[in-house]
Amino acid sequence: GAGVSQSPSNKVTEKGKDVELRCDPISGHTALYWYRQSLGQGLEFLIYFQGNSAPDKSGLPSDRFSAERTGGSVSTLTIQRTQQEDSAVYLCASSLARPGNIGGYTFGSGTRLTVV
Amino acid sequence: QKEVEQNSGPLSVPEGAIASLNCTYSDRGSQSFFWYRQYSGKSPELIMSIYSNGDKEDGRFTAQLNKASQYVSLLIRDSQPSDSATYLCAVNYGGATNKLIFGTGTLLAVQP
Repeated sequence: GAGVSQSPSNKVTEKGKDVELRCDPISGHTALYWYRQSLGQGLEFLIYFQGNSAPDKSGLPSDRFSAERTGGSVSTLTIQRTQQEDSAVYLCASSLARPGNIGGYTFGSGTRLTVV
Repeated sequence: QKEVEQNSGPLSVPEGAIASLNCTYSDRGSQSFFWYRQYSGKSPELIMSIYSNGDKEDGRFTAQLNKASQYVSLLIRDSQPSDSATYLCAVNYGGATNKLIFGTGTLLAVQP
């Protein structure tokens, strides 16, 4: 597609429920990243996929968070047993970058998650 | 802990003035540096990248990099009210990862 597409744009869920957030990167972009941004805060790195390499999961805050990327394209971020502190905007980005040749990211419009 | 530091602001400048936004980073091995602009309620958008010491100009924007001082800045000339946004500095620390570490951003307010 023309840009990075994320769905849903907004999600309200009850504490303890599981949620899935979807990201469809720009066609041909080999790198895909998930960040989250809490109100008034900076971007917190969560996970990074590069081609067929093992993902960099170093930013996932707990084992309730997981992500996968199928076929080198669409990615799903899953949060199990959601907590109120998970409320944030979850941003997906993609880039053409290869290791040692980094370029800038293109971000999607984000998913605003509210846990009540 | 690799860090990227920015003054949160707000930085208030009059219309037509030069806005100067600053960023420091902790790791001397850093290789790539980016400035993103984020309007309220929107996603970040890339406005500048810089990879080597010195200045890089693009229209009204100039990025400046000083690796010895671990310092990167963004100058906005002839500031316009439409430039009012949060400016995020991002740093790639190199190696096998393309992961960017973001600062918390500086809020710029351009007064008409």
